[in-house]
Amino acid sequence: GNSVTQMEGPVTLSEEAFLTINCTYTATGYPSLFWYVQYPGEGLQLLLKATKADDKGSNKGFEATYRKETTSFHLEKGSVQVSDSAVYFCALSEIGTGANNLFFGTGTRLTVIP
Amino acid sequence: KAGVTQTPRYLIKTRGQQVTLSCSPISGHRSVSWYQQTPGQGLQFLFEYFSETQRNKGNFPGRFSGRQFSNSRSEMNVSTLELGDSALYLCASRLDRGTDTQYFGPGTRLTVL
Repeated sequence: GNSVTQMEGPVTLSEEAFLTINCTYTATGYPSLFWYVQYPGEGLQLLLKATKADDKGSNKGFEATYRKETTSFHLEKGSVQVSDSAVYFCALSEIGTGANNLFFGTGTRLTVIP
Repeated sequence: KAGVTQTPRYLIKTRGQQVTLSCSPISGHRSVSWYQQTPGQGLQFLFEYFSETQRNKGNFPGRFSGRQFSNSRSEMNVSTLELGDSALYLCASRLDRGTDTQYFGPGTRLTVL
């Protein structure tokens, strides 16, 4: 079946530090991979996505590369800001299968301190 | 273009009652999915509607149901509420079932006392 394993949090970083949040997945076919972000009191916002092996998704300084050989989609940012404090969710979906819903990881809470 | 809207944003109910939540997708989006978010279980898929028909269902009891209208708006209903139903209920829309990207609304926070 499909599943996502995400780095446990919480993660606390100083402003301008480098961020990595690990994500690995299990899928029966060829999933699309996503990172969503949730700010306090809000729903999920799509941060970035990648749809096939070796694709790199990027947005707002965040990047993640679809690695089929390691079944991973790690999120990185070179210099975090206080405004990046949020919960980050890795997710996958397999379009074209009967169950094409999103499967989520457990989420990683990031706190950036000035 | 307006995003996904959900009403109400907050609800407080007591055990045994029922509740109906509403979701309006992004204009032109025809697929609507519902997810439950709790601290213990995380984000779990409830069901998906497309063309007024349920197309996919997660592992939830029959107390959880939904429907979709001809304008793609969707409602979900939870009957005989239990304490464990307290959660953030998120609605997501996408263009159609062949589109991979889903866009989420702000959620409805349900508290069951």
